Amino acid sequence: NAGVTQTPKFRILKIGQSMTLQCTQDMNHNYMYWYRQDPGMGLKLIYYSVGAGITDKGEVPNGYNVSRSTTEDFPLRLELAAPSQTSVYFCASSSVLGTKGNQPQHFGDGTRLSIL
Amino acid sequence: RKEVEQDPGPFNVPEGATVAFNCTYSNSASQSFFWYRQDCRKEPKLLMSVYSSGNEDGRFTAQLNRASQYISLLIRDSKLSDSATYLCVVNPGNQFYFGTGTSLTVIP
Repeated sequence: NAGVTQTPKFRILKIGQSMTLQCTQDMNHNYMYWYRQDPGMGLKLIYYSVGAGITDKGEVPNGYNVSRSTTEDFPLRLELAAPSQTSVYFCASSSVLGTKGNQPQHFGDGTRLSIL
Repeated sequence: RKEVEQDPGPFNVPEGATVAFNCTYSNSASQSFFWYRQDCRKEPKLLMSVYSSGNEDGRFTAQLNRASQYISLLIRDSKLSDSATYLCVVNPGNQFYFGTGTSLTVIP
């Protein structure tokens, strides 16, 4: 059971470089999310998507971009890496219970990113 | 006002103790509620969903009080393996709002 798969698990970038964090899920969930978690801090929502072709900003979207061309994939793009983007990035997915809210989120293992 | 507020702790308790965590939320339209567990720098993992009638899973009991807008988690007979950060999560719509987490250390 793959669930939510994130790649890479670790990455070191130089300031100004760009990269894409990959996230794919095999549970046919409509909803997908990207969070970052800084040391000792809580999860902060970067972007989310409620279905293919639809994306919305979360609490901390600056410096990031996303796309959702398929139900399965939700990549996160860093265009000009900055030291402030050093963090652990988690992708998550969930399904909807109609008018009763969402099912719980399933998380990937995370991508540990350092910008030097 | 934050969407979800939790006491960060830390809670340091001896093995076998009972410990309770509370969490308050601000959006009265919230429909789904969860407790997650997070071990150091790993992904959050679902501990249990929280239902209006309250629910129990082994040593863990979750309660929801919609009138006062808080949820609680009770852990009985604490084990060393319960040491982790416990996250309260509220879902009022398309987004999930996470508390900052409550740190628990169970001491031998």
